[in-house]
Amino acid sequence: IVLLQAPGSLSLSPGERATLSCRASQSVPNNYLAWYQQKPGQAPRLLIYGASRRATGIPDRFSASGSETVFTLTVSSLEPEDFAVYYCQQYGTSPITFGQGTRLETK
Amino acid sequence: QAQLLQSGPEVKKPGASVKVSCKTSGYTFRGMTWVRQSPGQGLEWMGWISAYNGNTIYAQKFQGRVTMTTDTSTKTAFMELRTLRSDDTAVYYCARSEEDWYFDLWGRGTLVTVSS
Repeated sequence: IVLLQAPGSLSLSPGERATLSCRASQSVPNNYLAWYQQKPGQAPRLLIYGASRRATGIPDRFSASGSETVFTLTVSSLEPEDFAVYYCQQYGTSPITFGQGTRLETK
Repeated sequence: QAQLLQSGPEVKKPGASVKVSCKTSGYTFRGMTWVRQSPGQGLEWMGWISAYNGNTIYAQKFQGRVTMTTDTSTKTAFMELRTLRSDDTAVYYCARSEEDWYFDLWGRGTLVTVSS
């Protein structure tokens, strides 16, 4: 399954709302879709699994939704530490695949 | 506190092999996934190994060039990549999946540089 993330980059200001998209080339079985945040020089950090379930310790300003081929990650009000690269990943079928990422930049 | 401690950076010549280790602590070691990230690029799943029975699943791209192993006595996972090429230059991560195949714990990554 090929995952296409949009936009490739997004410039926003702290306090604004961010909406990131992840589209799958075919339906993701069981909506097994995860989202990760990665900052420079760091490993990815799990934000969301099962399309909409927040991982342990993730603030509730992060939310996600979607099913089958269209998934969305929303950050309701951006904090300075949220500016990073975000990846979606499907784990419904082998091989596991990741999207190419969306870079969230400070405006 | 669960942790994954990876081995240090490596510099290899084309055609050589590299073996990266990932030592687990703070949880029950059941298996390990390896993911790599080329410079400035996205994430690429390489495969998985069970710590229980050594069963492996490798991405087709790496079949024949990668071997994943574990040492349950030291709770360590290993990933060996052979016949290295310049485009194997990447940060190699180990990552844990507990329930399904999403990754809730990651090592800090091991930079492997392939250069003549």
